[in-house]
Amino acid sequence: TQLLEQSPQFLSIQEGENLTVYCNSSSVFSSLQWYRQEPGEGPVLLVTVVTGGEVKKLKRLTFQFGDARKDSSLHITAAQPGDTGLYLCAGGDANRDDKIIFGKGTRLHILP
Amino acid sequence: NAGVMQNPRHLVRRRGQEARLRCSPMKGHSHVYWYRQLPEEGLKFMVYLQKENIIDESGMPKERFSAEFPKEGPSILRIQQVVRGDSAAYFCASSPQVSSYNSPLHFGNGTRLTVT
Repeated sequence: TQLLEQSPQFLSIQEGENLTVYCNSSSVFSSLQWYRQEPGEGPVLLVTVVTGGEVKKLKRLTFQFGDARKDSSLHITAAQPGDTGLYLCAGGDANRDDKIIFGKGTRLHILP
Repeated sequence: NAGVMQNPRHLVRRRGQEARLRCSPMKGHSHVYWYRQLPEEGLKFMVYLQKENIIDESGMPKERFSAEFPKEGPSILRIQQVVRGDSAAYFCASSPQVSSYNSPLHFGNGTRLTVT
């Protein structure tokens, strides 16, 4: 069974600071996705990374897929209160028709 | 805005009653996934369906839970004889094809089930 471990589970920082959250597994994934979920809503896709070593930027968010396609990181520069939410990573299991499995998420709170 | 529609948004049931959760996928999407989320946790896969077929139900309890996606109409997740432990948020997601990096999941806003 593939597992995605996300760390830290909770993170509370001041507005303007930088932060990195991690998504790790012992298994290889065909792709990895990051979602953000706000209270009372469903997750919304932020990015998909496919190639080992791939780096994608979305404004102040930088996503990286590990060379071995087993891990990923999300770095936020100059965090803002609007970044508050639950960040979920999800991996596509290449051996099971790319079924998406989710980590437990990092709950991020940005203090104004 | 024809996103994934789930209803009801909130559902309260007493122990032993039945809960029916509905999901209408995005237009043009024929693949539906149901996930369950407990407070402070991520999403746990329950079942994956295509029109009139259950493809993968490995995450769904074998008793009391069932799911369908008929040729016409929404997908239904049915929980019979609910217990307090069934209280959770249930999310539906859809994709135009088997979910992969080419077709990520589009989620609804969930149904929050409370069993009293």
